[in-house]
Amino acid sequence: GEEVAQTPKHLVRGEGQKAKLYCAPIKGHSYVFWYQQVLKNEFKFLISFQNENVFDETGMPKERFSAKCLPNSPCSLEIQATKLEDSAVYFCASSQSEGSDRYEQYFGPGTRLTVT
Amino acid sequence: RKEVEQDPGPFNVPEGATVAFNCTYSNSASQSFFWYRQDCRKEPKLLMSVYSSGNEDGRFTAQLNRASQYISLLIRDSKLSDSATYLCVVRPRGGKLIFGQGTELSVKP
Repeated sequence: GEEVAQTPKHLVRGEGQKAKLYCAPIKGHSYVFWYQQVLKNEFKFLISFQNENVFDETGMPKERFSAKCLPNSPCSLEIQATKLEDSAVYFCASSQSEGSDRYEQYFGPGTRLTVT
Repeated sequence: RKEVEQDPGPFNVPEGATVAFNCTYSNSASQSFFWYRQDCRKEPKLLMSVYSSGNEDGRFTAQLNRASQYISLLIRDSKLSDSATYLCVVRPRGGKLIFGQGTELSVKP
């Protein structure tokens, strides 16, 4: 597609429940990035993929968070046993290249996760 | 200390005003620099890339000073539609974006 698609738009989970978010990158883009935005506009990088391979996972919490990008499937970000502090908007972005200045990262509309 | 620091504002200005945003970054190895715009917690959208030579796009001018690790954005003749949060963004080697906390701009009639 011509836009990054993210589903669902909103997700509400009770503490301890699992949350799974999906991202379909723009067709032809080989890099996918996940970011978390909590209150006060604090964006945090979580993980990036080059096709189905993890490219950079330095931002991923070591526990409870996992992500995948499998061929012919949307990428996913899964949070096991959600906590209140996981409440945030999760943005996915895709680009043709990871670092070339010519290739912008295009963001999806985000998934708003509320943990109650 | 945050990797990218901005004045959070809010900046409240009348239509037609000129407004300047500043940003500093701590990683001297940073390679690329951008200003993004975010409306009402929607997705951030690229406003412009920032180069050492300075660059201009209509009413918007961006400057980068690598020696001082300082980035600026100037908006001239501000419009109501410029009201948004402006995010200073730095990309070190490796692709991930490092965001400042954003500066909120409100342009009033």
